[in-house]
Amino acid sequence: AQTVTQSQPEMSVQEAETVTLSCTYDTSESDYYLFWYKQPPSRQMILVIRQEAYKQQNATENRFSVNFQKAAKSFSLKISDSQLGDAAMYFCAYRSSTNFGNEKLTFGTGTRLTIIP
Amino acid sequence: DAGITQSPRHKVTETGTPVTLRCHQTENHRYMYWYRQDPGHGLRLIHYSYGVKDTDKGEVSDGYSVSRSKTEDFLLTLESATSSQTSVYFCAISDRDRGYGYTFGSGTRLTVV
Repeated sequence: AQTVTQSQPEMSVQEAETVTLSCTYDTSESDYYLFWYKQPPSRQMILVIRQEAYKQQNATENRFSVNFQKAAKSFSLKISDSQLGDAAMYFCAYRSSTNFGNEKLTFGTGTRLTIIP
Repeated sequence: DAGITQSPRHKVTETGTPVTLRCHQTENHRYMYWYRQDPGHGLRLIHYSYGVKDTDKGEVSDGYSVSRSKTEDFLLTLESATSSQTSVYFCAISDRDRGYGYTFGSGTRLTVV
């Protein structure tokens, strides 16, 4: 079974600075998807960014980018120019692409990000 | 965005009582999921459905049952609520428009006293 590990329960960053959240995963599969979700105090789960394992290029969405290291099974999230609205719990998630008809996500335990004004 | 709503948003119930949480979607998605969120555990899969009347267990299914009689509705039932089932419950659909990531409902905070 796949596992996802987020080793940083909490992190903080000064506003306008850059922060990197870590995620590692364990899988024997070669093709899969990885995601980062944001959960602000409103509790809503918001998709931030996704990465297909077959793509070597790291995904980017505005101020959010990932560092995908397939051999190391690492998938970190970099937030540039941190803003107060980035304060949230961030979850890393894994989805196999082999079970096409069963698209379950496995989540990490989350990292709570605090933005310091 | 796919329309997905959960009800109720908050609920307090007593130990031993049955509780049903509802998830409703408007986009005719085939796959639906129930997760629970607990501090230190992230989100864990309870049950999922891959079609009407087709459901299966996730990793934390004990004490829970589900039903899906219509494509749009996926119900989660706690037959006899216990304090260990105090949690935030999320329903989700698998959304191809989001690269097979999930679209989540807004969650239900359930407290069992």
